[in-house]
Amino acid sequence: EVQLVQSGAEVKKPGESLKISCKGSGYSFTSYWIGWVRQMPGKGLEWMGIIYPGDSDTRYSPSFQGQVTISADKSISTAYLQWSSLKASDTAMYYCARAQGGYYMDVWGKGTTVTVSS
Amino acid sequence: QSALTQPASVSGSPGQSITISCTGTSSDVGGYNYVSWYQQHPGKAPKLMIYDVSNRPSGVSNRFSGSKSGNTASLTISGLQAEDEADYYCSSYTSSSSHVVFGGGTKLTVL
Repeated sequence: EVQLVQSGAEVKKPGESLKISCKGSGYSFTSYWIGWVRQMPGKGLEWMGIIYPGDSDTRYSPSFQGQVTISADKSISTAYLQWSSLKASDTAMYYCARAQGGYYMDVWGKGTTVTVSS
Repeated sequence: QSALTQPASVSGSPGQSITISCTGTSSDVGGYNYVSWYQQHPGKAPKLMIYDVSNRPSGVSNRFSGSKSGNTASLTISGLQAEDEADYYCSSYTSSSSHVVFGGGTKLTVL
């Protein structure tokens, strides 16, 4: 079964760093793009960026460029989304998904809730 | 403001058909056949319903169909069922920044 398993919920303070993960299984992890999508409370989906684990080619939405870092460790079939200094406005659900061709997402993780509060 | 424009809400009775529109520009919806649609139930992850404008993934009901005309894509759901009540999002590749954009989402209510 193709699946993406995301790390658990996080509660952080403003200014702290964070790295959440997304582990793929059931398919060739290095042959498909992995994308990250943000959903703020009560709001819609926002495409953040994608990474191709095979060669670590990474693309960011202009809205998220410089705000987050997307990476991957193909040896353990895991993609990451990280922040160096969290803000309250980073409070959201973050989904990873397999991105066919880099654009449509056919397999989704269950999401990781990130709460940033002092 | 989302790059793709969807109606905030649509509604229909069981058995009826509804259509959700998704309007973009020639840099995204109108320029590429890379439109996809997602269904999201409350508290759940999105689910791919349509890709490449009109293709259904395996396992998605044939009551769901997609189309495109100019800069507007559409998702049609026929034979509405209570389980179809959810939020629906369109997305498209965009050449503006070589990435993907989502619509603002449409809440479907089955009356």
